[in-house]
Amino acid sequence: EDQVTQSPEALRLQEGESSSLNCSYTVSGLRGLFWYRQDPGKGPEFLFTLYSAGEEKEKERLKATLTKKESFLHITAPKPEDSATYLCAVQAPGGSYIPTFGRGTSLIVHP
Amino acid sequence: DSGVTQTPKHLITATGQRVTLRCSPRSGDLSVYWYQQSLDQGLQFLIQYYNGEERAKGNILERFSAQQFPDLHSELNLSSLELGDSALYFCASSVIVENTGELFFGEGSRLTVL
Repeated sequence: EDQVTQSPEALRLQEGESSSLNCSYTVSGLRGLFWYRQDPGKGPEFLFTLYSAGEEKEKERLKATLTKKESFLHITAPKPEDSATYLCAVQAPGGSYIPTFGRGTSLIVHP
Repeated sequence: DSGVTQTPKHLITATGQRVTLRCSPRSGDLSVYWYQQSLDQGLQFLIQYYNGEERAKGNILERFSAQQFPDLHSELNLSSLELGDSALYFCASSVIVENTGELFFGEGSRLTVL
């Protein structure tokens, strides 16, 4: 059973067209939720960690939010350089601290 | 540049063969993780080492093994390769994952099994 589901799988935006990516999770007692960015042919790059419902983190045009069931990555006035795959990962309770990744949302921003 | 170095970047081999992928973590990081990324499975955790000791195991096949050496570099050994083993293999490192979940990934080794 998938613990992390990301939607949509792919998203095309025009430059300046704001939107949100969704990450829903089924883990009880979430320890942490993470967002990563992955460019083609590169490894994932860490963006944010969120720990509790109501928490928000921002970085340039990106803002991540967390509720008890899902997280959103809001992209405000995106630019072509924001094109990438955005991965969400959750850290479950228990002995292992290993993040479990979703399959990602592939974002393309057209100029 | 994450500071994590993986070699080789690309590898093409035949079914039944054995390959070794190498990873040098960021300076000061004690923990190394191996992940497999394929189109149909996404990013799957294989195994974690911390300061030379195996710390956690994911869905790693018995044909695969790994180790972390005293200088903290790590190797992932893949044997009896099958077509389905074709994927990107990522190494990541962290000082310790428990605190922030922030992993630093290398650029990956792309394995193609023909």
